[in-house]
Amino acid sequence: KAGVTQTPRYLIKTRGQQVTLSCSPISGHRSVSWYQQTPGQGLQFLFEYFSETQRNKGNFPGRFSGRQFSNSRSEMNVSTLELGDSALYLCASSRGTDNEKLFFGSGTQLSVL
Amino acid sequence: DAKTTQPNSMESNEEEPVHLPCNHSTISGTDYIHWYRQLPSQGPEYVIHGLTSNVNNRMASLAIAEDRKSSTLILHRATLRDAAVYYCILSKYNNNDMRFGAGTRLTVKP
Repeated sequence: KAGVTQTPRYLIKTRGQQVTLSCSPISGHRSVSWYQQTPGQGLQFLFEYFSETQRNKGNFPGRFSGRQFSNSRSEMNVSTLELGDSALYLCASSRGTDNEKLFFGSGTQLSVL
Repeated sequence: DAKTTQPNSMESNEEEPVHLPCNHSTISGTDYIHWYRQLPSQGPEYVIHGLTSNVNNRMASLAIAEDRKSSTLILHRATLRDAAVYYCILSKYNNNDMRFGAGTRLTVKP
């Protein structure tokens, strides 16, 4: 079965713009988590959605938001982009119950100029 | 939140066993121990997880100390493809909030 799909693979934006990233989970998975990865901070948890509801949230400002649709696909949005938002954004899906393992996508590389 | 401590880097020779340690002295009774690895230019990949008993799968073994304050990921025969950053993570039952630390960068020498 198909893995976790993230689009687009690469994105270049300028400061002040906003961006929307998309994640299609593995079929049957109801949980989608988002992570930001930078060389300096490593992998940082943004938030997790389960059945269209945000279930967990990391320590990121309100400029970072997300949502999940009824088909479990998820989007994350970053508004008023800053240079420091340049990062690899990864999403992971799972069935979302009983500490299931996460399946990660290949990520979206965002560059903010 | 309970935290994990791992060495920054380790080296191994190809076809030899590798033992990757993780300390989690503040682990609570409901925390699961997960291991993921990240190969260059890829998203993290699940390796193994457990609660109290030692676990084995086709990729690796997980040895958990009796007091659960530490664990060891064992790769039985390292290959060049096992060169990656290995992350030890704690997460609570029925909770996908996984907080990754800095991990251990494993180098495998031919």
